[in-house]
Amino acid sequence: DQQVKQNSPSLSVQEGRISILNCDYTNSMFDYFLWYKKYPAEGPTFLISISSIKDKNEDGRFTVFLNKSAKHLSLHIVPSQPGDSAVYFCAASSRRSGGFKTIFGAGTRLFVKA
Amino acid sequence: DAEITQSPRHKITETGRQVTLACHQTWNHNNMFWYRQDLGHGLRLIHYSYGVQDTNKGEVSDGYSVSRSNTEDLPLTLESAASSQTSVYFCASSEGDSEQFFGPGTRLTVL
Repeated sequence: DQQVKQNSPSLSVQEGRISILNCDYTNSMFDYFLWYKKYPAEGPTFLISISSIKDKNEDGRFTVFLNKSAKHLSLHIVPSQPGDSAVYFCAASSRRSGGFKTIFGAGTRLFVKA
Repeated sequence: DAEITQSPRHKITETGRQVTLACHQTWNHNNMFWYRQDLGHGLRLIHYSYGVQDTNKGEVSDGYSVSRSNTEDLPLTLESAASSQTSVYFCASSEGDSEQFFGPGTRLTVL
């Protein structure tokens, strides 16, 4: 049973437009959410995070939105650039439980066309 | 600069052989993790450690073991490699509940 779901395996966007990547979770104990970016032949790198006490967190071109009632979060990239083409993983953890395990989604491959 | 390294980067082995993948971090992080990445499954947690002499099973731990004798290293051992363990393996480390830093990965093929 996947606790973190990314239902879109891939997304294609034109350069300069907005990219929206979605993520759903099922475990109400999750209180910290992260997005990681992965290029081929490299390890994932941390992109942005959000705590469950917030509904939005912004860092430059990247914004993460959290809707706790819907158990849904999204990553917005504006404007999208060809260098953003990568696999994006949504991840969730439960800080309240005292552990540091993180559950990852299956990933969404973003293609940004020039 | 602090980093996390994995070796080897590529490994081909035969079914039934014992294989050990190395992970070394210089961040001085207490937490270390091993994941495998497979198409359609994302990153799945194999084992993790919150400090020296501490090890815990993740969601896909069968057939794998780890040991933590110092802060820097968490080697992953496949006791008897199986074709189902063909995958890309990532090691990661973190401090407290902060984000994880990942190594470059090891691509393992079991024939």
